[in-house]
Amino acid sequence: NAGVMQNPRHLVRRRGQEARLRCSPMKGHSHVYWYRQLPEEGLKFMVYLQKENIIDESGMPKERFSAEFPKEGPSILRIQQVVRGDSAAYFCASSPPGLAGGVNNEQFFGPGTRLTVL
Amino acid sequence: AQSVTQLDSHVSVSEGTPVLLRCNYSSSYSPSLFWYVQHPNKGLQLLLKYTSAATLVKGINGFEAEFKKSETSFHLTKPSAHMSDAAEYFCVVSRSGGYNKLIFGAGTRLAVHP
Repeated sequence: NAGVMQNPRHLVRRRGQEARLRCSPMKGHSHVYWYRQLPEEGLKFMVYLQKENIIDESGMPKERFSAEFPKEGPSILRIQQVVRGDSAAYFCASSPPGLAGGVNNEQFFGPGTRLTVL
Repeated sequence: AQSVTQLDSHVSVSEGTPVLLRCNYSSSYSPSLFWYVQHPNKGLQLLLKYTSAATLVKGINGFEAEFKKSETSFHLTKPSAHMSDAAEYFCVVSRSGGYNKLIFGAGTRLAVHP
């Protein structure tokens, strides 16, 4: 069973360009979470999605950032008109469906995408 | 509201000596608590988790942590450090019974010297 996959692993963009980060959850997982890790900091929650639904986007910047998790295909985190401050590692995690709490609290993390904005 | 405070940003130990990484949490709800490890340029790996069962939790690679409600602490320990333990460690809290927005501490960087 493959783990959470993210691509690309490294992404370089110039200011003003768009960045698209992809996350394929573990097989059987229908919950996806995106986190951002700025240099020398812990991870910060951005958004929580289930298939075709955004459940909680309280950690997403109000502008330029969007996320989706379509019925088919990976989850996408999209950053429009990137700025230098967007340079960070972006991690995706997935968890299985079922009852909230208990063992379903465990999230399995991907290797991350390191975004560098020049 | 929930929060996590990792009391040391850097810890340095000699190989073979005990490891103690300190974590205090704040939670209005019954919390779930986790320790994750991140090796350089790698993703996060779950070391152990507390979800209201036994207060002493054993994890992978010889690590364990004890949930102390009276002290609101969840310190990570290991009896004998190995060179391969050098990494960044994150204490994490989430709300039991709710969906799983994880709140991360700032991290503790563990260095292990020969």
